[in-house]
Amino acid sequence: QVQLVESGGGVVQPGGSLRLSCSVSGLIFSVYGMHWVRQAPGKGLEWVAFIRYDASDKQYAESVKGRFTISRDNSENTLYLQMNSLKTEDTAVYYCAKDLGHTISALYYFDYWGQGTLVTVSS
Amino acid sequence: EIVLTQSPATLSLSPGERATLSCRASQSVSSYLAWYQQKPGQTPRLLIYDASNRATGIPARFSGSGSGTDFTLTISSLEPEDFAVYYCQQRNNWPPLTFGGGTKVEIK
Repeated sequence: QVQLVESGGGVVQPGGSLRLSCSVSGLIFSVYGMHWVRQAPGKGLEWVAFIRYDASDKQYAESVKGRFTISRDNSENTLYLQMNSLKTEDTAVYYCAKDLGHTISALYYFDYWGQGTLVTVSS
Repeated sequence: EIVLTQSPATLSLSPGERATLSCRASQSVSSYLAWYQQKPGQTPRLLIYDASNRATGIPARFSGSGSGTDFTLTISSLEPEDFAVYYCQQRNNWPPLTFGGGTKVEIK
């Protein structure tokens, strides 16, 4: 079955960095666009970033643009989120999520989600 | 950025009743709207995409309708497992992809 497993969360001071990973199994990772979505404690969902199946296109929310970088390794079936210059408002559970579409026909909806990894930015 | 406003914030209903949830967009999103269900401590689950298409494995009691700026998620007869928070999400004009603030369906 399809599994997405995030790792790399933790506690970091403001201004610090973290790298999240999302290991994907049970599907052909290289044909799907992937997203990161976050959820602050007790709050709603916020889309963070998208990467095309072949990494030729990347998009970011304004709130993280210039600080976060999404990437992928299709040979390792792994998605990444490099987070720099972290702020307290970045505190959230970060989910990786698979796009409903595939290859050039991304649909920009999320049909499989990981369990999430908690990032806490605090001094 | 397209803002999605969900109403009501909380819906108190009994099992077996019909639930009607609303999502209004600040500008037209055509039919490019999805609905998700999230139970406490769980990840979101895709229910409906492109306004009215049920995702794989979603029961027929869930249906979506609407286009432009006004959308509705209907649960025809609430089952105990349907009490959760529901979010709408648009993909018509992005980035960013945006979500509504959620509607909590609670047991009356």
